[in-house]
Amino acid sequence: QVQLVQSGAEVKKPGASVKVSCKASGYTFTGYYIHWVRQAPGQGLEWMGWINPHSGGTNYAQKFQGRVTLTRDTSISTAYMDLSRLRSDDTAVYYCARAEYSTSSPDYWGQGTLVTVSS
Amino acid sequence: QSVLTQPPSVSAAPGQKVTISCSGSSSNIGNNYVSWYQQLPGTAPKLLIYDDNKRPSGIPDRFSGSKSGTSATLGITGLQTGDEADYYCGTWDSSLSAGVFGGGTKLTVL
Repeated sequence: QVQLVQSGAEVKKPGASVKVSCKASGYTFTGYYIHWVRQAPGQGLEWMGWINPHSGGTNYAQKFQGRVTLTRDTSISTAYMDLSRLRSDDTAVYYCARAEYSTSSPDYWGQGTLVTVSS
Repeated sequence: QSVLTQPPSVSAAPGQKVTISCSGSSSNIGNNYVSWYQQLPGTAPKLLIYDDNKRPSGIPDRFSGSKSGTSATLGITGLQTGDEADYYCGTWDSSLSAGVFGGGTKLTVL
């Protein structure tokens, strides 16, 4: 069965960086895009970007350009989301999710990773 | 604010039917497929509807989706207390070259 398993919760100070991992199993990792979506406490879903695990190509939401980097390691079927220059309003649950195409909505989602930014 | 507009909340009695609207524009809903997600408290979103009106395997036919122009609608019949959750619409925005979501609708089954 398709599974996306994310790394554990993180606590970071303002200005630091965080790297969240997303390990895929149950399907061909390079055959589907990985999207990243975040959700601040009590708020809605916010799309951050996608990576094509086959080519390594990426597309980022304008809001996060210059602060987010999406990478992957095909040898271990794992995608990564790196967010730098963290601020308190980056406190959120970060999800990875699989999608068939770059423009299609994700079907399977990871369990989420809580990132707390606090001094 | 969210690119797609949803009502903040809807409610109905058990066994009844409810609809949730999602309004957008020609750059998103008008020219791209819409998906709907259910999010129970403390869990990840779950895909209910994709490609405007298709249900993934395992999703009961109590859930349905439709689209007309730049608006989409999620319908839920035979409401159950277990349907209490937040519901989100999502699609691609061709002008922004970005994924977009509605602000979410909280469903209360009275």
